Amino acid sequence: NAGVMQNPRHLVRRRGQEARLRCSPMKGHSHVYWYRQLPEEGLKFMVYLQKENIIDESGMPKERFSAEFPKEGPSILRIQQVVRGDSAAYFCASSPGYGTDTQYFGPGTRLTVL
Amino acid sequence: KNQVEQSPQSLIILEGKNCTLQCNYTVSPFSNLRWYKQDTGRGPVSLTIMTFSENTKSNGRYTATLDADTKQSSLHITASQLSDSASYICVVSRSGGSYIPTFGRGTSLIVHP
Repeated sequence: NAGVMQNPRHLVRRRGQEARLRCSPMKGHSHVYWYRQLPEEGLKFMVYLQKENIIDESGMPKERFSAEFPKEGPSILRIQQVVRGDSAAYFCASSPGYGTDTQYFGPGTRLTVL
Repeated sequence: KNQVEQSPQSLIILEGKNCTLQCNYTVSPFSNLRWYKQDTGRGPVSLTIMTFSENTKSNGRYTATLDADTKQSSLHITASQLSDSASYICVVSRSGGSYIPTFGRGTSLIVHP
């Protein structure tokens, strides 16, 4: 049973380009969470999704950021028109349910905006 | 405001020694508290999870305690090993709705030989 997979592991973009980060949850997990970690800071919740539904996006910036978790395929975090401040590590986690269910984290995608 | 504060920010100990990391929180209403270990360049890995009714939970050399009245938790590491060098993150989730977690900034632990 493979763990949570994220790709790419490293992504370099120039200002104004788009970044697409992918997350494949663990087999059997239907809940996906995205977090952002800035250097020397803690993880910050961005969005919580179930298949085809956004449950909570209270941590996501209102502009340029979007997330989806389609019926088939991985969850996608999309950042349009990236700026230098978007440079961070983006982690995805999955769980079989919610509440007290443990979240299993992927290795993260490190985004660098030049 | 829902917050999670961890102390110390960083800690250096010698291999074989014990140490205790602290976590204070104001998250309410409380659902559960987790401790994670995050190695450099990797995603966090869950060590323990405690709900309101639990006041201690062990996972090998890791023992977590929870005092829900004072809203404090600690993570005790026994007989430290070099591989314990990592960031230890306290995470508290609210009940009701989507259980969105609040993360502490973590304690950076370095174990020296």
